[in-house]
Amino acid sequence: EAQVTQNPRYLITVTGKKLTVTCSQNMNHEYMSWYRQDPGLGLRQIYYSMNVEVTDKGDVPEGYKVSRKEKRNFPLILESPSPNQTSLYFCASSLGGVTDTQYFGPGTRLTVL
Amino acid sequence: AQSVAQPEDQVNVAEGNPLTVKCTYSVSGNPYLFWYVQYPNRGLQFLLKYITGDNLVKGSYGFEAEFNKSQTSFHLKKPSALVSDSALYFCAVRAAPKLIFGQGTTLQVKP
Repeated sequence: EAQVTQNPRYLITVTGKKLTVTCSQNMNHEYMSWYRQDPGLGLRQIYYSMNVEVTDKGDVPEGYKVSRKEKRNFPLILESPSPNQTSLYFCASSLGGVTDTQYFGPGTRLTVL
Repeated sequence: AQSVAQPEDQVNVAEGNPLTVKCTYSVSGNPYLFWYVQYPNRGLQFLLKYITGDNLVKGSYGFEAEFNKSQTSFHLKKPSALVSDSALYFCAVRAAPKLIFGQGTTLQVKP
C-alpha cells in the first residue's frame, strides 16, 4: 500500500532532550517536507527536500534539522527541544514537487515539558 | 507575498444541504490552488486542485471548487452535504517550492 509513515505517533519529552521523528515513504517520491500544525495557524512548512542530499529551509526552520541520505527517508531532528515546539507534526511527500499531490503521514503529536 | 485566507473558522450545515467553504488568495503570477481535508486523527488528504483551464474543478468525494480570478477566490462546494464530510478543510496556494496553507475551516454537518 502506498503510504507515508511517521514514528512515533505520540511523544512526550522534556526540554533539551534530543529527539528524532522518522518519516518514510514507499512511493519513490522525490519531494518530501515537514510541517507543523498549530491551532489558528494552519500548517507551516519547516523544511523540504527536492531530492537526496538536497534540503532547504521552509518558513519555520529554527530549532529543527533534517537529513535526506536516502530517497525514502526524511527524519526530523530536534537537537534541544523547547516547549514552543509542542505541536502536531506532519511529513509529506510528492512525486516531483508541490504542484503534485502531496501525500501526508498520520502525524506526530509532540509535547515538550 | 503569497498568501491564502480562509475567513471562517467553522461552517455548520444540515445534512443534505449545499455547503461552501471559502478561500481567498494573493499570488504573483498564475495561481496554483489546492484543497486538502483532514479527518480526526489523520493526515491531510488531497481533494482537488486548480492549475489552469476550466474554472470549475471537480474532485474527490463529490466536492468541487470554483476558481474566480477577479475575486481571487477558490471556494470549495458540494451540492449535498453528508455527516461524514465533517472534517477540517485547508486551502493552499503554491509558492514554489512550497505550499502555503490557510488556517483551516472546520466543517460540521448535522443530521
